Amino acid sequence: GAGVSQSPSNKVTEKGKDVELRCDPISGHTALYWYRQSLGQGLEFLIYFQGNSAPDKSGLPSDRFSAERTGGSVSTLTIQRTQQEDSAVYLCASSLGGQILWELFFGEGSRLTVL
Amino acid sequence: SQELEQSPQSLIVQEGKNLTINCTSSKTLYGLYWYKQKYGEGLIFLMMLQKGGEEKSHEKITAKLDEKKQQSSLHITASQPSHAGIYLCGAPGASGTYKYIFGTGTRLKVLA
Repeated sequence: GAGVSQSPSNKVTEKGKDVELRCDPISGHTALYWYRQSLGQGLEFLIYFQGNSAPDKSGLPSDRFSAERTGGSVSTLTIQRTQQEDSAVYLCASSLGGQILWELFFGEGSRLTVL
Repeated sequence: SQELEQSPQSLIVQEGKNLTINCTSSKTLYGLYWYKQKYGEGLIFLMMLQKGGEEKSHEKITAKLDEKKQQSSLHITASQPSHAGIYLCGAPGASGTYKYIFGTGTRLKVLA
């Protein structure tokens, strides 16, 4: 498809396990974002990638969270030693980048449940 | 850091009624997005406002940006059950930044 693709759509894990969430942005989009949405809450910014520039990691809540973007395309968000408070929907978005007000295209999200 | 506050947090209206959702920024707005999120689904882009005083409409939804008040309003005319969902406003955190922040959302329910 032509949209932002995220996998897995649902992930249930045990406390203390590591998880990886994947985002495949729209082809040609140079900007990629990760957000977290906890139950009943708004979107919490986690990290932003733009082309080959250093990512803006200012939203990552702890050093258990990390993300990388390989080849300027696919991105992986990794959460180590998961905690119950990490349970949320993790949303990825991409945009054309290079200009402030391009539309963000969102994926369907990865719902993470930590038992 | 900049914050976007939405009001009301939730809204229940009878089908056919008009309604307004507000998004107020704690700092200067450099443009603003409105998105709609259906329950359990991704975000759908509604419209983007770039200049103070700008007003855009899409079907029965109209949004306006008031830069002086650091506020945007989204108005739905003659609401329908299909309008139900969570409405989110989003904006760049500061001029020249790509760190987009979002409001806490307004949950809308339309009674048939």
